[in-house]
Parts: sequence; C-alpha cells; structure tokens
Amino acid sequence: RKEVEQDPGPFNVPEGATVAFNCTYSNSASQSFFWYRQDCRKEPKLLMSVYSSGNEDGRFTAQLNRASQYISLLIRDSKLSDSATYLCVVIKDYKLSFGAGTTVTVRA
Amino acid sequence: DADVTQTPRNRITKTGKRIMLECSQTKGHDRMYWYRQDPGLGLRLIYYSFDVKDINKGEISDGYSVSRQAQAKFSLSLESAIPNQTALYFCATSDFEGGPRETQYFGPGTRLLVL
Repeated sequence: RKEVEQDPGPFNVPEGATVAFNCTYSNSASQSFFWYRQDCRKEPKLLMSVYSSGNEDGRFTAQLNRASQYISLLIRDSKLSDSATYLCVVIKDYKLSFGAGTTVTVRA
Repeated sequence: DADVTQTPRNRITKTGKRIMLECSQTKGHDRMYWYRQDPGLGLRLIYYSFDVKDINKGEISDGYSVSRQAQAKFSLSLESAIPNQTALYFCATSDFEGGPRETQYFGPGTRLLVL
C-alpha cells in the first residue's frame, strides 16, 4: 500500500464551481500535512499547510481527519488559474511522502 | 533570480553514459534533496543531505550518487545511465527549524531522457 494516495482525477469543473478532493495516508502516526500545487511541467510549490482544526486561505480550505486518515482540499469559486495538479505531502519523523497528485482543470 | 537553480534544464543522453545534474541555492538552507518524478508515481526521494557532511540515501538511490560540495551546492550523478532513469528530476531545499513542519522549495527541474 502506498504511504500517500490521491485520486488522480482529472476533475473538470466550470469557472465559479466548487471542487473538493481527498488524500489518504497509511501511517496513523503522521505528524504534518501539506498541499502543494504543481503547474504543468513546473516545480511544485507550497499551497498551504493543513492544521488539525482545519484552515482557510482565501478560496482554499484544508481539512484533516485523523480518525479516517485523510486530508482534503476544497476550492471555492474556481478560477481558470486554479488549473493544476495538487500534491498531498505527509511528514512523519522528518520523512516526507508525496502523493502522485490530483489534477484539476477549470474551464471557462 | 531563482532561489534554487538546476542545470541542465533538459538533457538527452545514451545508455551507459555518466551524467551529472547540478543544483545551487541562495536560500541559505542546510537541507537539500534530490527527487525524481514519474507519471502516476509522484515524487520519490533519491538522496538527501542535512548539511555539508551529511548524505543519506532515499527510497530509490540505486544507480545514483551525490556530492554536497558546499552548503549551496548539491549534485546528482548517474554513473551509468539506463532508460528507466528517464524522468523529471527536482532538487529541493527546506527551511527546517526543528519541528515536524518544513516547507520544500523546489528548483525548476531537469528533464532527462536516456536513450
């Protein structure tokens, strides 16, 4: 079983729509969680950390469910510029594990 | 100027050749990493270095070697390239400050094709 798993998508949504997707992790002792964004053929960049209580950054909301071992990302009012692949990252004992990514395509 | 740079950005080589990918950073971070990315597999760690005197194998280090020449420089070598090493390679640094949270800062990547 992979340490971090994501639905690869693609999620095709119209502008203005809400899109949400999850990432599951296998190690219950995982300590830190993040979402990175990767544009096509570019390097990943940190989008946001995920905190136990859930957190928002503008149109983006991240949640952590430790009991079910998943994190989620919700994008409200989608923009064309949100089209990207979103990578889930989990840290345990200073070891980072990356998911393969969920691709989101926002259409006009 | 970019904080993390990689050279070359693209490389085509033949099976059996030795090649080196170079990474430089101006962020002043001690920690540096080399990853490869393959479609559907996500990023996989090849090697990492927590300081100039510290080199560690990642999950897929076979066929690769590294050199940490200075705090700012971390090179990845393929001693004898093979086609399944065709991938997108990323160098990264991190701003680790002692807790479980750290942000990775990636270079722009090197696309390697081994024929």
